[in-house]
Amino acid sequence: GESVGLHLPTLSVQEGDNSIINCAYSNSASDYFIWYKQESGKGPQFIIDIRSNMDKRQGQRVTVLLNKTVKHLSLQIAATQPGDSAVYFCAETSSISSGSARQLTFGSGTQLTVLP
Amino acid sequence: NAGVTQTPKFRVLKTGQSMTLLCAQDMNHEYMYWYRQDPGMGLRLIHYSVGEGTTAKGEVPDGYNVSRLKKQNFLLGLESAAPSQTSVYFCASTYAGVPQHFGDGTRLSIL
Repeated sequence: GESVGLHLPTLSVQEGDNSIINCAYSNSASDYFIWYKQESGKGPQFIIDIRSNMDKRQGQRVTVLLNKTVKHLSLQIAATQPGDSAVYFCAETSSISSGSARQLTFGSGTQLTVLP
Repeated sequence: NAGVTQTPKFRVLKTGQSMTLLCAQDMNHEYMYWYRQDPGMGLRLIHYSVGEGTTAKGEVPDGYNVSRLKKQNFLLGLESAAPSQTSVYFCASTYAGVPQHFGDGTRLSIL
């Protein structure tokens, strides 16, 4: 089956630096990508999404880049803060038969640690 | 506004026992999902529902059943628990499309 994977399982950055979390996907039919943040003991939190007809999308302190040629997705966090410490998951979707419901395929996650 | 609430938060079962996990959302969302999360793996979809009275299988449905009798509730049942079902279970909801609101999970151990 198709899979979504992350290049690195852990990432440590200094507070105030920028963070880049990478993700590779293999399903060329995927048309929608999402980044989630999961803090310890909590459920995933939707951060930002991007459609396959875009190559960049910006949010508040976060930017997602999509390179469809090499099937690569990245999440950039500007001025990383202690509260950004969490596991970050990328997920890809393709539409399924039931209306607009979409089945997500999640990567295994990257643990981001922000150092003081 | 509570969002998505899962009960119980923790549970230990013996092999062969049954139980039901409850998910409740107060956002009037049509779509609800049940996922399981195992160590070192991403979330995997068990079952989902696109509206009251409808359910569908996801990626790993075996050993689980679900019901959506009321729009705000989505129940996940284990009829005969097995150690392989030890996991953290997450419920999610959304108005349409991808899951955007997750509960904080139910940590289930099967001995």
